[in-house]
Amino acid sequence: SQQGEEDPQALSIQEGENATMNCSYKTSINNLQWYRQNSGRGLVHLILIRSNEREKHSGRLRVTLDTSKKSSSLLITASRAADTASYFCATVLNDYKLSFGAGTTVTVRA
Amino acid sequence: ETGVTQSPTHLIKTRGQQVTLRCSSQSGHNTVSWYQQALGQGPQFIFQYYREEENGRGNFPPRFSGLQFPNYSSELNVNALELDDSALYLCASSFETGALSGNTIYFGEGSWLTVV
Repeated sequence: SQQGEEDPQALSIQEGENATMNCSYKTSINNLQWYRQNSGRGLVHLILIRSNEREKHSGRLRVTLDTSKKSSSLLITASRAADTASYFCATVLNDYKLSFGAGTTVTVRA
Repeated sequence: ETGVTQSPTHLIKTRGQQVTLRCSSQSGHNTVSWYQQALGQGPQFIFQYYREEENGRGNFPPRFSGLQFPNYSSELNVNALELDDSALYLCASSFETGALSGNTIYFGEGSWLTVV
């Protein structure tokens, strides 16, 4: 079973707009990571947020974590066509593996 | 470029056959993990190798097996292929097991396996 669940499943936005996607998970985590996957290709690590952190930024990316609600959000500001991809959250419990959700597919229209 | 290379990129096998997928990890990384990603789904953890030993396994049957070599490259072997094994197989390399330590995990481009 998957630990994380992304919402929405799909998102279509205009270039320049912001994109927000959410991730909910079921059990306590050590850290949560976000990845991007271009169509049918490998995953690219975007950002990691630890359980004792509430917010992190990396370039145009902003991630928040609310451990009381067991949820995280990824915000992409000023989106570009190159941001078109699937985005996955992955939780890390007390072990070595990543547990992925089903992902959010983002389409940025020119 | 993540420095993780996988081969082959695409292959087609017949049900019941065996397949070997290969992964060359990023220089300096001693941990390799394998994930299976079915179409439209998120990756599922198969197993991890750390310094040539299996370090953990997901919910996959024993016909999924692996190896890690002294240079930390790795193989994923799948015996008695089933139609449901059709998926993208991703290799991920990291230093010192990765996920819990917070070290960045680098994925290869994957091997697309189709079982007919």
